[in-house]
Amino acid sequence: NAGVTQTPKFQVLKTGQSMTLQCAQDMNHNSMYWYRQDPGMGLRLIYYSASEGTTDKGEVPNGYNVSRLNKREFSLRLESAAPSQTSVYFCASSEGTVNYSNQPQHFGDGTRLSIL
Amino acid sequence: RKEVEQDPGPFNVPEGATVAFNCTYSNSASQSFFWYRQDCRKEPKLLMSVYSSGNEDGRFTAQLNRASQYISLLIRDSKLSDSATYLCRITGGGNKLTFGTGTQLKVEL
Repeated sequence: NAGVTQTPKFQVLKTGQSMTLQCAQDMNHNSMYWYRQDPGMGLRLIYYSASEGTTDKGEVPNGYNVSRLNKREFSLRLESAAPSQTSVYFCASSEGTVNYSNQPQHFGDGTRLSIL
Repeated sequence: RKEVEQDPGPFNVPEGATVAFNCTYSNSASQSFFWYRQDCRKEPKLLMSVYSSGNEDGRFTAQLNRASQYISLLIRDSKLSDSATYLCRITGGGNKLTFGTGTQLKVEL
């Protein structure tokens, strides 16, 4: 049981390049999330998907787009990478839809992204 | 005031000590509370949920004080392996999720 799988684990981009971070979960969870973690800032929610077919903005959505491809997969896209997007990105999932935020989250092991 | 606040530490304690840290929150409508553990360069992992009546899991005790708007995590008989950053997560009204910035614990010989 792999849980939440993120790819790639590391990536270096040049300013202006685009890329997509992939996330898949095999726990049959309905809700999925993308966070970024920066020193002194903690985990900040970028986007989330409470259920298949829905996505919503979190605290810091600017510069990002997401796609909930199916129940298992939730991707995060940087259309034009900026140095301010250098961070560690975590995908997470939780079980339910209604009151999804009241449930514990399971995290992938992160993507370390550097924008030069 | 930040929605969720934690003392960043580090808390340096000897092995076998008891240590406690708090996480304060500003939204009185907050509904759900969790403690996560994060090892260096790893993902956060759920340590325990925090229930209104308080709950215990082995050496770990979590408590909620709604009147003063904070949760606490107590670790008894600290082990070297407890060294990590402890993050709180608070769910506010309207499904808003907020993590604290974490408290670093270092358990020393």
